[in-house]
Amino acid sequence: NAGVTQTPKFQVLKTGQSMTLQCAQDMNHNSMYWYRQDPGMGLRLIYYSASEGTTDKGEVPNGYNVSRLNKREFSLRLESAAPSQTSVYFCASSVGGARGYTFGSGTRLTVV
Amino acid sequence: QKEVEQDPGPLSVPEGAIVSLNCTYSNSAFQYFMWYRQYSRKGPELLMYTYSSGNKEDGRFTAQVDKSSKYISLFIRDSQPSDSATYLCAMSVAEYGNKLVFGAGTILRVKS
Repeated sequence: NAGVTQTPKFQVLKTGQSMTLQCAQDMNHNSMYWYRQDPGMGLRLIYYSASEGTTDKGEVPNGYNVSRLNKREFSLRLESAAPSQTSVYFCASSVGGARGYTFGSGTRLTVV
Repeated sequence: QKEVEQDPGPLSVPEGAIVSLNCTYSNSAFQYFMWYRQYSRKGPELLMYTYSSGNKEDGRFTAQVDKSSKYISLFIRDSQPSDSATYLCAMSVAEYGNKLVFGAGTILRVKS
């Protein structure tokens, strides 16, 4: 049982480049989330999708876009990467309840 | 002021010690409280889940919620080197339909 799978695991971008972070879950969960984790800041919500076909902004959405491709997949796109977007990005999914968040192993992104 | 405050540590203890990890929060509407454990270079995993005030015990772990003081704690008895990780508190207003708000995480190191 894979759970939540994120690709890639590591990425280095130059300022201004674009990229898409991929996330897929195989637990038939309704809700999916993108977080970023920075030292001393904890996990901050970027975007979330409560159900297939819907997306909403979280706490720090600027500079990002998302696509809920189907129930399994939720991608995060950086259109023009900036050094401030250097972070570890986590995707999570849940059946819809507060207790059932399952996280992926993260994508370590460095923007130079 | 952050909605959820958590001392980042690091907290260093000898093997076998009792560990106390804490979070304070400002939103009195929070009712669901969670502790996540995150090993280095991994995603967070749910450790404990409690609703409203009171205590919950699971093996060596006890979660405590004091809503009157807006204060939650996680106690680890007989701490082991394998408990070395970052512990994040998280909370939510409702069980369904609301997003989790995370603390910054406390780094715990248990020395053998």
